[in-house]
Amino acid sequence: AQKITQTQPGMFVQEKEAVTLDCTYDTSDPSYGLFWYKQPSSGEMIFLIYQGSYDQQNATEGRYSLNFQKARKSANLVISASQLGDSAMYFCAMREGFAGGTSYGKLTFGQGTILTVHP
Amino acid sequence: DTGVSQNPRHKITKRGQNVTFRCDPISEHNRLYWYRQTLGQGPEFLTYFQNEAQLEKSRLLSDRFSAERPKGSFSTLEIQRTEQGDSAMYLCASNRQASTDTQYFGPGTRLTVL
Repeated sequence: AQKITQTQPGMFVQEKEAVTLDCTYDTSDPSYGLFWYKQPSSGEMIFLIYQGSYDQQNATEGRYSLNFQKARKSANLVISASQLGDSAMYFCAMREGFAGGTSYGKLTFGQGTILTVHP
Repeated sequence: DTGVSQNPRHKITKRGQNVTFRCDPISEHNRLYWYRQTLGQGPEFLTYFQNEAQLEKSRLLSDRFSAERPKGSFSTLEIQRTEQGDSAMYLCASNRQASTDTQYFGPGTRLTVL
């Protein structure tokens, strides 16, 4: 089974509007972390936001917020007030596997969603 | 902090040749990761170092692949006898042992095997 599922291959949004990118995950570990990265056409992966499985509040970073619904195993990224520079590929990723307090560290990524912001 | 750097940014090689990529992590980061990303896919984990110790390797890392981090600073990824299926973006990331473990990525090395 896919550990990270991003069901939207592509999304379109008008400049200045909000957009939600979907991500569902699958894990049996009680302790895990969820990450969103942005990958522009240049190829570099840019960290956007992090949510820990025990965090009580949804994470926010500027125009980015993470809608974390633990029971549904979803971690959707909300981008408010979209800008033309937000056009890129967006990846959801999960870090799982604590053993003795040490994270194994590796990330498992979804397939990505291409976001296009229209002027 | 300066970010993660990778060299070269692009490499074109002929099938059967050996190639080596270098990754310089953020200076105080003790953990270093290699990922491979093929076109239209998310990155896939290859291997992970904590300081100089290689602690985990994916089964994607065939015998032709070897990675080192001899002094716990920069790392190299070597592919021997390259195949066309090795064509991909090779991404390096680093972090330090912390509660969020956020990994910061370099710009990647794009490998094309002809």
